[in-house]
Amino acid sequence: AQTVTQSQPEMSVQEAETVTLSCTYDTSESDYYLFWYKQPPSRQMILVIRQEAYKQQNATENRFSVNFQKAAKSFSLKISDSQLGDAAMYFCAIISTYSGAGSYQLTFGKGTKLSVIP
Amino acid sequence: KAGVTQTPRYLIKTRGQQVTLSCSPISGHRSVSWYQQTPGQGLQFLFEYFSETQRNKGNFPGRFSGRQFSNSRSEMNVSTLELGDSALYLCASSWTDNEQFFGPGTRLTVL
Repeated sequence: AQTVTQSQPEMSVQEAETVTLSCTYDTSESDYYLFWYKQPPSRQMILVIRQEAYKQQNATENRFSVNFQKAAKSFSLKISDSQLGDAAMYFCAIISTYSGAGSYQLTFGKGTKLSVIP
Repeated sequence: KAGVTQTPRYLIKTRGQQVTLSCSPISGHRSVSWYQQTPGQGLQFLFEYFSETQRNKGNFPGRFSGRQFSNSRSEMNVSTLELGDSALYLCASSWTDNEQFFGPGTRLTVL
């Protein structure tokens, strides 16, 4: 079984500042993918960034980057130059690439609600 | 390319009724997954279909079922609705098995 833990239920950041959202996970698989999804009030789940476990290089997408520490099973999201539109729920998720047990399912954390202060 | 679409967007039912939700994946995507989102339990996996076959199922009672058609469109059905079934039901489609794109969800309210 896989688990994802987001220890920060809520966070806030000043506009234009940087914020880091924490995520730890547990899996017995060696091959897996990690994701950060954003869910604004509209409820549409939007993929922010993904990280392949076999890659040592941290993924980056514009203002979003991750700090992936495989040994520590940690996967934090850094948002730089925060904008008002970044306000949303952020979910960390993991998916195993092992299909033998039919494991093609995302396991999500409980989410972190991010507020952006003008 | 059009995104994942879900119909209806909102639904109100009463206890004991049944409901069918529909999901149309992104063109070319053959895998469709369903998730239930509630404030208490968060996001929970319901089931996943690929080429009309259920490949994986989450820990939900048999009242929850689904199917996938040859055009990859999927439906999920909940029979004998309970108050606790009130939730946002999200559908996601994927081309590869490691990146899922979500629809806007169907908000189900059971009275």
